Amino acid sequence: NAGVTQTPKFQVLKTGQSMTLQCAQDMNHNSMYWYRQDPGMGLRLIYYSASEGTTDKGEVPNGYNVSRLNKREFSLRLESAAPSQTSVYFCASTSVMTGYRNQPQHFGDGTRLSIL
Amino acid sequence: GDSVTQMEGPVTLSEEAFLTINCTYTATGYPSLFWYVQYPGEGLQLLLKATKADDKGSNKGFEATYRKETTSFHLEKGSVQVSDSAVYFCALSVVGNQFYFGTGTSLTVIP
Repeated sequence: NAGVTQTPKFQVLKTGQSMTLQCAQDMNHNSMYWYRQDPGMGLRLIYYSASEGTTDKGEVPNGYNVSRLNKREFSLRLESAAPSQTSVYFCASTSVMTGYRNQPQHFGDGTRLSIL
Repeated sequence: GDSVTQMEGPVTLSEEAFLTINCTYTATGYPSLFWYVQYPGEGLQLLLKATKADDKGSNKGFEATYRKETTSFHLEKGSVQVSDSAVYFCALSVVGNQFYFGTGTSLTVIP
């Protein structure tokens, strides 16, 4: 069972460089999420996608863009990386259905990103 | 707005000690409540959940009871092991795509 797969696991960038973090899930979930985790701040939502073809901003969207490529894949792009974006990034997915209790989110193992 | 407040750490316990990590919530509706565990270098894993008042979630010796009257979902374990050392997150979800997480509580269990 692969669950949620994130690539790469580690990355070092220089300020101003761009990169895309990839996420794929094989659980047929409709909703996908990108979070960043910083010491003492828990998880902060960057963007989410309620369903294929839709994306919405979360708490900290500035400096990021996302693409929901299909039902399985949700990518996060840093167009011009800044040191403040040094963090651990997590992708998550779940099924959200109107009228039903939300199922828990499933998380990938994270991408550890350092920006110099 | 909806939010979760959990006990700040770090928490250090001796093996076989009793564990409580406090979690309280604020929610406008009737949330589902979750506890997640994060081991070093890994993502968050669901530990247990409860979807309505008075429900008790349990897994691997951990328990938490959904208390609507005190808006709490405290995590407990009767006898911790070294392998329980991890960061624990309380979370809630009300409707739609809104999930809210606490800031995490780091637990270290020493032999």
